[in-house]
Amino acid sequence: GAVVSQHPSRVICKSGTSVKIECRSLDFQATTMFWYRQFPKKSLMLMATSNEGSKATYEQGVEKDKFLINHASLTLSTLTVTSAHPEDSSFYICSASGQGASVGIQYFGAGTRLSVL
Amino acid sequence: AQSVTQPDIHITVSEGASLELRCNYSYGATPYLFWYVQSPGQGLQLLLKYFSGDTLVQGIKGFEAEFKRSQSSFNLRKPSVHWSDAAEYFCAVGAVSGYSTLTFGKGTMLLVSP
Repeated sequence: GAVVSQHPSRVICKSGTSVKIECRSLDFQATTMFWYRQFPKKSLMLMATSNEGSKATYEQGVEKDKFLINHASLTLSTLTVTSAHPEDSSFYICSASGQGASVGIQYFGAGTRLSVL
Repeated sequence: AQSVTQPDIHITVSEGASLELRCNYSYGATPYLFWYVQSPGQGLQLLLKYFSGDTLVQGIKGFEAEFKRSQSSFNLRKPSVHWSDAAEYFCAVGAVSGYSTLTFGKGTMLLVSP
């Protein structure tokens, strides 16, 4: 099956610093990647959708200058949390869909636990 | 707007007993329906999906789900639960389009008692 790798799995940073999370499709071309945020005991909240080579489309209420998304290649998307604050602490999950994977299926990474001190 | 309702926040089932997790959806067109499972601190794993055809779909780990259009439901079932099935289960609805945005339910936490 299609595999999505997300790195790092856990990161702790100081308030005010920036953190980059990588999402890679290992065995298919991810034409579309999605970034979700999951609060404790809550469902997944879609933050943004990115198509390779295009600007990401952000969901309402998500600050695009705060959460920078880059999808420069068919196998890599990055989410950068800029000037992180404790309220940004959360579980971030990426997913991908595209060529070489089953149509209409999103394949998820294992998630990144971000803790901002 | 599309939505997914999972009415049970958590369910406890004895090991070996049968399981049914409920999912109701609201969608303006033919829905594409999914069940995902999430273990603590992990991403989501696809259990099964329904796009078209036979309304009873089989998935991994012995799970199955039945699409009932008249009831707008897509309930997940397993005849005999194992302790390793304890996890959070999410139902989702989407469309097979240029990019398949998913709307998730709030999840049902399955607890398995010995």
